[in-house]
Amino acid sequence: GAVVSQHPSRVICKSGTSVKIECRSLDFQATTMFWYRQFPKQSLMLMATSNEGSKATYEQGVEKDKFLINHASLTLSTLTVTSAHPEDSSFYICSAEGRGVPYEQYFGPGTRLTVT
Amino acid sequence: DAKTTQPTSMDCAEGRAANLPCNHSTISGNEYVYWYRQIHSQGPQYIIHGLKNNETNEMASLIITEDRKSSTLILPHATLRDTAVYYCIVRVGPGNTGKLIFGQGTTLQVKP
Repeated sequence: GAVVSQHPSRVICKSGTSVKIECRSLDFQATTMFWYRQFPKQSLMLMATSNEGSKATYEQGVEKDKFLINHASLTLSTLTVTSAHPEDSSFYICSAEGRGVPYEQYFGPGTRLTVT
Repeated sequence: DAKTTQPTSMDCAEGRAANLPCNHSTISGNEYVYWYRQIHSQGPQYIIHGLKNNETNEMASLIITEDRKSSTLILPHATLRDTAVYYCIVRVGPGNTGKLIFGQGTTLQVKP
């Protein structure tokens, strides 16, 4: 099946610094990628949708200047959490859909971000 | 907001069938029903999807009512590894592309 990877799997950073999370589709071309956030014991919340080569579309209430998304190629999307604060600590998950795969979204394993 | 309602939790005995219900009374004609599951601290895993016909794959069966207002996911022989949160999602968007909006899901506990 289609594989989506994320890097890093865990990251700890200091308050005020920026963190970049990578999402890669390993064996298919991802025309669309999605970024989700999940707090403990809660469901996944969609943050934004990105199409290759165009600007991301953010969900209501998600700060686009704080969560920078880049989808520069058909296999890579990045999420940068700028000026991170402890309340940004969460589980960040990406998913992808695209060419040559059935019409499902394939999810990455997630990145655990802890801001101290 | 999610367009589906599911029971918060269910138990199932190992080896027995697990039947997970989902209500989606406001589903539109071109919206599909998708099921995903999430094992603790992992990304969600696709299980199955359907439009109006019943579907079966190697993991599960999906039964959709004729009026499409509800559906049931069936895991025919549940194992301990099937313990997870199961999400029923109506997919927003034309055809079968578009974003997935997750509700709270059903926590399935498979017991020995």
